[in-house]
Amino acid sequence: EIVLTQSPATLSLSPGERATLSCRASQSVSSYLAWYQQKPGQAPRLLIYDASNRATGIPARFSGSGSGTDFTLTISSLEPEDFAVYYCQQRSNWPVTFGQGTRLEIK
Amino acid sequence: QVQLVQSGAEVKKPGASVKVSCKASGYTFTSYGISWVRQAPGQGLEWMGWISAYNGNTNYAQKLQGRVTMTTDTSTSTAYMELRSLRSDDTAVYYCARELASDYWGQGTLVTVSS
Repeated sequence: EIVLTQSPATLSLSPGERATLSCRASQSVSSYLAWYQQKPGQAPRLLIYDASNRATGIPARFSGSGSGTDFTLTISSLEPEDFAVYYCQQRSNWPVTFGQGTRLEIK
Repeated sequence: QVQLVQSGAEVKKPGASVKVSCKASGYTFTSYGISWVRQAPGQGLEWMGWISAYNGNTNYAQKLQGRVTMTTDTSTSTAYMELRSLRSDDTAVYYCARELASDYWGQGTLVTVSS
């Protein structure tokens, strides 16, 4: 099973700042890496698929990069609605796995 | 528009079974698989498995093998997830989602396992 390790566990930033979230895989997942945002009481929302492709309707301030084992989600300038929990997910190998999440909180 | 609508909340006793439904609309059901993901209270996302709506092929998380069965009914565009021999640590919100990189999700179904 591929283990995804997200860092940091919690990120405290202010609106307008740049956020950089990391996801590291225990073995290569090629580019089969997705990022999700989840707010309390809501289902996850797909932000990025295949490492760097924004899903439909996702603002341009969200971007993804990386391949192999190291991936980054960048939010260029934080809006108040961006404070949430973010998960990475790999679909390169069965079983599909998720990272443990990064909580992005308001500083 | 694409929608996945799940069945309502369930309360079950330990050892019982639960079957959650997920009715799809707004797209060709057999063109996409359905993933099932659960989330225990205050915890992260746990992938449970995936089923092809085209041919019924499945792939389950190893820890659930033998207790979980995923099926589809193409005549009603509905996917089902049955979990048996429920334990207290199966208490969670259960989500269905379209495909593996899931662009559409159901609203979630809370399953509570309690004596």
